[in-house]
Amino acid sequence: DAKTTQPPSMDCAEGRAANLPCNHSTISGNEYVYWYRQIHSQGPQYIIHGLKNNETNEMASLIITEDRKSSTLILPHATLRDTAVYYCIKLNNAGNMLTFGGGTRLMVKP
Amino acid sequence: GAVVSQHPSWVICKSGTSVKIECRSLDFQATTMFWYRQFPKQSLMLMATSNEGSKATYEQGVEKDKFLINHASLTLSTLTVTSAHPEDSSFYICSVRGLSYNEQFFGPGTRLTVL
Repeated sequence: DAKTTQPPSMDCAEGRAANLPCNHSTISGNEYVYWYRQIHSQGPQYIIHGLKNNETNEMASLIITEDRKSSTLILPHATLRDTAVYYCIKLNNAGNMLTFGGGTRLMVKP
Repeated sequence: GAVVSQHPSWVICKSGTSVKIECRSLDFQATTMFWYRQFPKQSLMLMATSNEGSKATYEQGVEKDKFLINHASLTLSTLTVTSAHPEDSSFYICSVRGLSYNEQFFGPGTRLTVL
């Protein structure tokens, strides 16, 4: 079961939107897309998840393509505290655990 | 989300000693708990999965006799690193999940350094 594919690193200017892409071309019908982030030396923090509809919460928006083969996490106004490694994970609803790939290291710069 | 704590947050020990790490779910009934390990500049690697009251299921390559996991209640799991060696130095993170498979929350991690 292939993991997701993410760019290893990205930069973003403070105050601008950060758009983090994720490819999950092997996703199956019962698998959700989850996003977590890990700030240095801390445990991962849940951000958002979705199945096929776009989702938004107080932290971010998740845009999932119609074919569900890719998605984009959007941080609308990135701050320096958003500097972290962002993980895109696909997870089915059958009780499997989260499996982490390499993630994207987002650096927000002043 | 659930509040998950780990104790200690960091520990330094001598080679050959055993170290116990606690993971507590403070406001959430964790039917399943996971233990992950993370080496510097690497991603999280799942070590084992435990269901309350059952023996843990270990991932391939993880020695069950070296990494003892106890999940005696819905709010507490412990990981004991027995006869620790310098190569066991790592960041250990627990995670909890309830009956809803959509919810999985992580602890803050424990940094273990074995001298």
